[in-house]
Amino acid sequence: QKEVEQNSGPLSVPEGAIASLNCTYSDRGSQSFFWYRQYSGKSPELIMSIYSNGDKEDGRFTAQLNKASQYVSLLIRDSQPSDSATYLCAVTPRKNFVFGPGTRLSVLP
Amino acid sequence: KAGVTQTPRYLIKTRGQQVTLSCSPISGHRSVSWYQQTPGQGLQFLFEYFSETQRNKGNFPGRFSGRQFSNSRSEMNVSTLELGDSALYLCASSTARQGLAYEQYFGPGTRLTVT
Repeated sequence: QKEVEQNSGPLSVPEGAIASLNCTYSDRGSQSFFWYRQYSGKSPELIMSIYSNGDKEDGRFTAQLNKASQYVSLLIRDSQPSDSATYLCAVTPRKNFVFGPGTRLSVLP
Repeated sequence: KAGVTQTPRYLIKTRGQQVTLSCSPISGHRSVSWYQQTPGQGLQFLFEYFSETQRNKGNFPGRFSGRQFSNSRSEMNVSTLELGDSALYLCASSTARQGLAYEQYFGPGTRLTVT
């Protein structure tokens, strides 16, 4: 079992829709969780961090964490073509970051 | 506040050579981590330095090494380059203190091509 798993996609959603990205992890000792966005040819850019169970909202983005089920998700409301990118989930099982393979999101105009 | 900077941005080396990459973290950040990103393996953790000490290390051979200076700037070195070392090397900085994981901010990366 991989430490961090994500659907590779591509996930295609129409402009204005909600995009839902999911991530599962294997180490129950993980305490910090992050979502990064990476455009093609660029470096990852931090979108959200979440440390406690529940939801955390920041603008159009909502991160959801459920430690009992070992998953973290990212919702993007009112998706825009500029949101088209690869979204990386990062987990910290041993205080270092472990990244998932990423989900490619395509927002269709 | 200036972001993470990495030099050089692009590098072409020959098999068997060695290379040194440099990273300057965000001002005030004392933790610097290095990652290798390839299409096949994704983003993989190399090592982390905090206050000039290696705090964590990923599963890479000893040809990959690093260090951190008193001003938090960091370098990584790859010796005896192999074709498989061709990748994007990313540096990330954080305010992380001992035992805690805080947000990491990435630099633009160094694209290394080994021929």
